[in-house]
Amino acid sequence: DTEVTQTPKHLVMGMTNKKSLKCEQHMGHRAMYWYKQKAKKPPELMFVYSYEKLSINESVPSRFSPECPNSSLLNLHLHALQPEDSALYLCASSQGWFSNQPQHFGDGTRLSIL
Amino acid sequence: KNEVEQSPQNLTAQEGEFITINCSYSVGISALHWLQQHPGGGIVSLFMLSSGKKKHGRLIATINIQEKHSSLHITASHPRDSAVYICAVLRASGSRLTFGEGTQLTVNP
Repeated sequence: DTEVTQTPKHLVMGMTNKKSLKCEQHMGHRAMYWYKQKAKKPPELMFVYSYEKLSINESVPSRFSPECPNSSLLNLHLHALQPEDSALYLCASSQGWFSNQPQHFGDGTRLSIL
Repeated sequence: KNEVEQSPQNLTAQEGEFITINCSYSVGISALHWLQQHPGGGIVSLFMLSSGKKKHGRLIATINIQEKHSSLHITASHPRDSAVYICAVLRASGSRLTFGEGTQLTVNP
């Protein structure tokens, strides 16, 4: 069982829908990350939150909107997505922002845009 | 040229074989991670190394900082080891992980 919980596991949505991906960890980690992974490719960093503040935005389109309501939760709000946004979205956490501590990954949300 | 190169890209082995996956990198790093990803998608952190060697069960990871090279070894491989193995480096300048393209390992019974 993973210590980082992502919901939902699968999501199918139309291009006009609004949905949210959720990520939760209770390890006391102060850094949380969103990655996007296309098939047969490595993960690509999207966002980093450190102490609940957005520290890195890798030039992600505004149709993706991250939110960190508290130190245990990380959301990714989705609106007006494009078919090319279909991918596996992975959440991760670590004790500190890219500190020399391992990142713990969730199982991901597999997103399909119709 | 990618900053993190893995070889081989694909590897097929028979159960029981000794397996080696290699990772070379071209930047200064503070740590190197070996990650395992099963077909379902979840990623498990196997090792984080900054020097020397680590062992966990049948898995061994080594790193040579001078040669900018790391290896992941699996002894007595088993079909449940079938997964994608990803090498990722944390740059010495910090701030983000750089991932290799991954090695798809298939272990046949």
